[in-house]
Amino acid sequence: DAKTTQPPSMDCAEGRAANLPCNHSTISGNEYVYWYRQIHSQGPQYIIHGLKNNETNEMASLIITEDRKSSTLILPHATLRDTAVYYCIVRPRTGTYKYIFGTGTRLKVLA
Amino acid sequence: GAVVSQHPSWVICKSGTSVKIECRSLDFQATTMFWYRQFPKQSLMLMATSNEGSKATYEQGVEKDKFLINHASLTLSTLTVTSAHPEDSSFYICSARHRSYEQYFGPGTRLTVT
Repeated sequence: DAKTTQPPSMDCAEGRAANLPCNHSTISGNEYVYWYRQIHSQGPQYIIHGLKNNETNEMASLIITEDRKSSTLILPHATLRDTAVYYCIVRPRTGTYKYIFGTGTRLKVLA
Repeated sequence: GAVVSQHPSWVICKSGTSVKIECRSLDFQATTMFWYRQFPKQSLMLMATSNEGSKATYEQGVEKDKFLINHASLTLSTLTVTSAHPEDSSFYICSARHRSYEQYFGPGTRLTVT
Protein backbone atom coordinates (compact mmCIF):
# COMPACT_ATOMS: atom_id res chain seq x y z
CA ASP A 1 0.00 0.00 0.00
CA ALA A 2 1.04 3.56 -0.63
CA LYS A 3 2.48 5.40 2.33
CA THR A 4 1.10 8.75 1.25
CA THR A 5 -2.29 10.44 1.21
CA GLN A 6 -3.19 13.41 -0.96
CA PRO A 7 -6.38 15.35 -1.65
CA PRO A 8 -8.04 13.94 -4.77
CA SER A 9 -8.36 17.24 -6.57
CA MET A 10 -7.48 20.94 -6.44
CA ASP A 11 -8.05 23.99 -8.59
CA CYS A 12 -5.64 26.87 -8.99
CA ALA A 13 -5.89 30.13 -10.91
CA GLU A 14 -3.37 30.64 -13.66
CA GLY A 15 -0.41 32.72 -12.48
CA ARG A 16 -1.02 31.94 -8.83
CA ALA A 17 1.01 29.58 -6.68
CA ALA A 18 -0.27 26.02 -6.47
CA ASN A 19 0.34 24.37 -3.12
CA LEU A 20 -0.14 20.61 -3.14
CA PRO A 21 -0.06 18.86 0.23
CA CYS A 22 0.97 15.30 0.99
CA ASN A 23 0.71 13.36 4.21
CA HIS A 24 3.30 10.70 4.91
CA SER A 25 2.95 10.27 8.65
CA THR A 26 4.59 6.82 8.72
CA ILE A 27 7.73 7.88 6.89
CA SER A 28 10.95 6.54 8.34
CA GLY A 29 14.28 8.28 8.66
CA ASN A 30 15.79 6.58 5.63
CA GLU A 31 13.01 7.43 3.19
CA TYR A 32 12.92 10.20 0.63
CA VAL A 33 9.88 12.13 -0.54
CA TYR A 34 9.52 12.28 -4.32
CA TRP A 35 7.08 14.21 -6.46
CA TYR A 36 6.06 13.33 -9.98
CA ARG A 37 3.31 14.52 -12.23
CA GLN A 38 1.43 12.82 -15.02
CA ILE A 39 -0.14 14.73 -17.82
CA HIS A 40 -2.99 12.90 -19.50
CA SER A 41 -1.93 9.71 -21.31
CA GLN A 42 1.77 10.26 -20.74
CA GLY A 43 4.36 8.73 -18.44
CA PRO A 44 5.01 10.44 -15.09
CA GLN A 45 7.53 13.27 -15.08
CA TYR A 46 10.01 13.75 -12.23
CA ILE A 47 9.62 17.08 -10.43
CA ILE A 48 11.66 17.14 -7.24
CA HIS A 49 12.66 15.13 -4.19
CA GLY A 50 13.96 15.70 -0.69
CA LEU A 51 14.91 14.03 2.55
CA LYS A 52 14.80 16.61 5.35
CA ASN A 53 15.57 20.02 3.97
CA ASN A 54 13.45 22.16 1.72
CA GLU A 55 14.41 21.90 -1.92
CA THR A 56 13.95 24.13 -4.94
CA ASN A 57 14.60 23.62 -8.62
CA GLU A 58 13.49 25.24 -11.84
CA MET A 59 10.12 23.53 -11.70
CA ALA A 60 9.03 23.70 -8.09
CA SER A 61 9.80 23.96 -4.40
CA LEU A 62 9.40 21.21 -1.86
CA ILE A 63 8.67 22.06 1.76
CA ILE A 64 9.06 19.20 4.25
CA THR A 65 7.84 19.70 7.80
CA GLU A 66 10.34 19.36 10.60
CA ASP A 67 8.82 16.06 11.78
CA ARG A 68 8.82 14.89 8.13
CA LYS A 69 5.24 13.68 8.40
CA SER A 70 4.00 15.90 5.62
CA SER A 71 5.22 17.95 2.72
CA THR A 72 3.99 20.54 0.25
CA LEU A 73 4.88 20.89 -3.39
CA ILE A 74 4.75 24.49 -4.56
CA LEU A 75 4.42 25.51 -8.19
CA PRO A 76 5.17 29.23 -7.87
CA HIS A 77 3.33 30.51 -10.93
CA ALA A 78 0.95 27.87 -12.25
CA THR A 79 0.21 27.76 -15.96
CA LEU A 80 -2.40 25.84 -17.91
CA ARG A 81 0.30 23.33 -18.84
CA ASP A 82 0.67 22.43 -15.17
CA THR A 83 -2.75 20.77 -15.24
CA ALA A 84 -1.93 17.16 -14.34
CA VAL A 85 -2.14 14.49 -11.66
CA TYR A 86 0.56 15.02 -9.05
CA TYR A 87 1.92 12.08 -7.12
CA CYS A 88 3.81 12.19 -3.86
CA ILE A 89 5.87 9.04 -3.26
CA VAL A 90 7.97 7.82 -0.35
CA ARG A 91 11.02 5.87 -1.41
CA PRO A 92 13.57 4.04 0.73
CA ARG A 93 17.20 5.15 0.47
CA THR A 94 18.30 1.55 -0.01
CA GLY A 95 16.86 -1.66 -1.35
CA THR A 96 14.87 -2.02 -4.53
CA TYR A 97 14.04 1.68 -4.79
CA LYS A 98 10.61 0.76 -6.06
CA TYR A 99 7.78 3.28 -6.04
CA ILE A 100 4.31 2.60 -4.76
CA PHE A 101 1.96 5.18 -6.20
CA GLY A 102 -0.97 6.53 -4.25
CA THR A 103 -4.03 8.10 -5.79
CA GLY A 104 -2.44 11.50 -6.39
CA THR A 105 -3.97 14.97 -6.66
CA ARG A 106 -5.62 16.07 -9.87
CA LEU A 107 -4.62 19.73 -10.26
CA LYS A 108 -6.64 21.84 -12.62
CA VAL A 109 -5.22 25.24 -13.49
CA LEU A 110 -7.97 27.65 -14.46
CA ALA A 111 -7.59 30.46 -16.96
CA GLY B 1 19.18 13.81 -20.38
CA ALA B 2 17.53 10.79 -18.71
CA VAL B 3 15.19 9.86 -21.54
CA VAL B 4 13.24 6.63 -21.62
CA SER B 5 11.41 5.43 -24.70
CA GLN B 6 8.79 2.78 -25.25
CA HIS B 7 7.77 0.97 -28.38
CA PRO B 8 5.14 0.69 -29.61
CA SER B 9 3.19 3.66 -28.29
CA TRP B 10 -0.05 1.84 -28.99
CA VAL B 11 -0.98 -1.63 -30.16
CA ILE B 12 -4.17 -3.50 -30.96
CA CYS B 13 -4.08 -7.27 -30.90
CA LYS B 14 -6.52 -10.13 -31.08
CA SER B 15 -7.43 -12.17 -28.04
CA GLY B 16 -5.10 -15.13 -27.58
CA THR B 17 -2.07 -13.55 -29.24
CA SER B 18 1.09 -12.26 -27.56
CA VAL B 19 2.40 -8.71 -27.57
CA LYS B 20 5.90 -7.46 -26.79
CA ILE B 21 6.56 -3.98 -25.45
CA GLU B 22 10.08 -2.54 -25.40
CA CYS B 23 11.49 -0.08 -22.90
CA ARG B 24 14.79 1.65 -23.59
CA SER B 25 16.90 4.08 -21.60
CA LEU B 26 18.36 6.25 -24.33
CA ASP B 27 21.11 8.20 -22.60
CA PHE B 28 21.92 6.29 -19.45
CA GLN B 29 22.42 2.74 -18.31
CA ALA B 30 19.81 1.23 -16.04
CA THR B 31 20.50 -1.89 -14.03
CA THR B 32 16.93 -1.73 -12.79
CA MET B 33 13.77 -1.06 -14.72
CA PHE B 34 10.18 -1.22 -13.56
CA TRP B 35 6.90 -2.06 -15.26
CA TYR B 36 3.59 -0.51 -14.29
CA ARG B 37 0.03 -0.88 -15.45
CA GLN B 38 -2.56 1.87 -15.34
CA PHE B 39 -6.29 1.54 -15.91
CA PRO B 40 -8.39 4.59 -16.85
CA LYS B 41 -8.69 7.18 -14.09
CA GLN B 42 -6.59 5.04 -11.75
CA SER B 43 -3.08 5.33 -10.39
CA LEU B 44 -0.06 3.41 -11.58
CA MET B 45 0.23 -0.11 -10.25
CA LEU B 46 3.70 -1.63 -10.03
CA MET B 47 3.81 -5.00 -11.79
CA ALA B 48 7.42 -6.03 -11.55
CA THR B 49 11.01 -5.01 -11.01
CA SER B 50 13.39 -5.97 -13.78
CA ASN B 51 17.10 -6.36 -13.06
CA GLU B 52 19.66 -6.67 -15.83
CA GLY B 53 20.86 -10.21 -16.20
CA SER B 54 18.54 -11.75 -13.64
CA LYS B 55 14.95 -12.78 -13.23
CA ALA B 56 12.30 -10.18 -12.65
CA THR B 57 10.62 -9.78 -9.29
CA TYR B 58 6.85 -9.67 -9.59
CA GLU B 59 4.45 -7.92 -7.25
CA GLN B 60 1.84 -9.96 -5.47
CA GLY B 61 -1.04 -10.89 -7.72
CA VAL B 62 0.83 -10.41 -11.00
CA GLU B 63 1.09 -13.59 -13.05
CA LYS B 64 4.70 -14.06 -14.05
CA ASP B 65 3.82 -16.61 -16.75
CA LYS B 66 1.46 -14.16 -18.36
CA PHE B 67 3.66 -11.08 -18.17
CA LEU B 68 7.13 -12.15 -19.26
CA ILE B 69 9.90 -9.69 -18.54
CA ASN B 70 13.38 -9.78 -20.01
CA HIS B 71 16.14 -7.31 -19.16
CA ALA B 72 18.90 -8.46 -21.45
CA SER B 73 21.00 -5.30 -21.49
CA LEU B 74 21.58 -2.17 -19.45
CA THR B 75 19.38 -0.16 -21.79
CA LEU B 76 16.58 -2.53 -22.76
CA SER B 77 13.80 -4.31 -20.95
CA THR B 78 10.87 -6.02 -22.62
CA LEU B 79 7.43 -6.97 -21.39
CA THR B 80 5.56 -9.68 -23.25
CA VAL B 81 1.87 -10.08 -22.57
CA THR B 82 1.16 -13.70 -23.47
CA SER B 83 -2.20 -15.03 -24.57
CA ALA B 84 -3.71 -11.58 -24.20
CA HIS B 85 -7.35 -11.16 -23.24
CA PRO B 86 -9.56 -8.08 -23.30
CA GLU B 87 -9.05 -7.57 -19.55
CA ASP B 88 -5.33 -7.08 -20.25
CA SER B 89 -6.18 -3.91 -22.16
CA SER B 90 -4.45 -1.15 -20.29
CA PHE B 91 -1.77 1.53 -20.36
CA TYR B 92 1.62 -0.04 -19.69
CA ILE B 93 4.41 2.22 -18.49
CA CYS B 94 8.03 1.41 -17.84
CA SER B 95 10.63 3.31 -15.86
CA ALA B 96 14.37 3.10 -15.57
CA ARG B 97 16.32 3.79 -12.41
CA HIS B 98 19.01 6.38 -12.96
CA ARG B 99 22.31 6.16 -11.08
CA SER B 100 21.06 9.10 -9.04
CA TYR B 101 18.22 6.77 -7.97
CA GLU B 102 15.33 8.70 -9.52
CA GLN B 103 13.11 6.74 -11.84
CA TYR B 104 12.57 8.15 -15.30
CA PHE B 105 9.42 7.03 -17.03
CA GLY B 106 8.66 6.11 -20.60
CA PRO B 107 5.71 7.63 -22.45
CA GLY B 108 3.61 4.49 -22.05
CA THR B 109 2.10 1.91 -24.38
CA ARG B 110 -1.64 1.63 -24.80
CA LEU B 111 -2.65 -1.97 -25.37
CA THR B 112 -6.10 -2.85 -26.67
CA VAL B 113 -7.06 -6.51 -26.93
CA THR B 114 -10.05 -7.25 -29.14
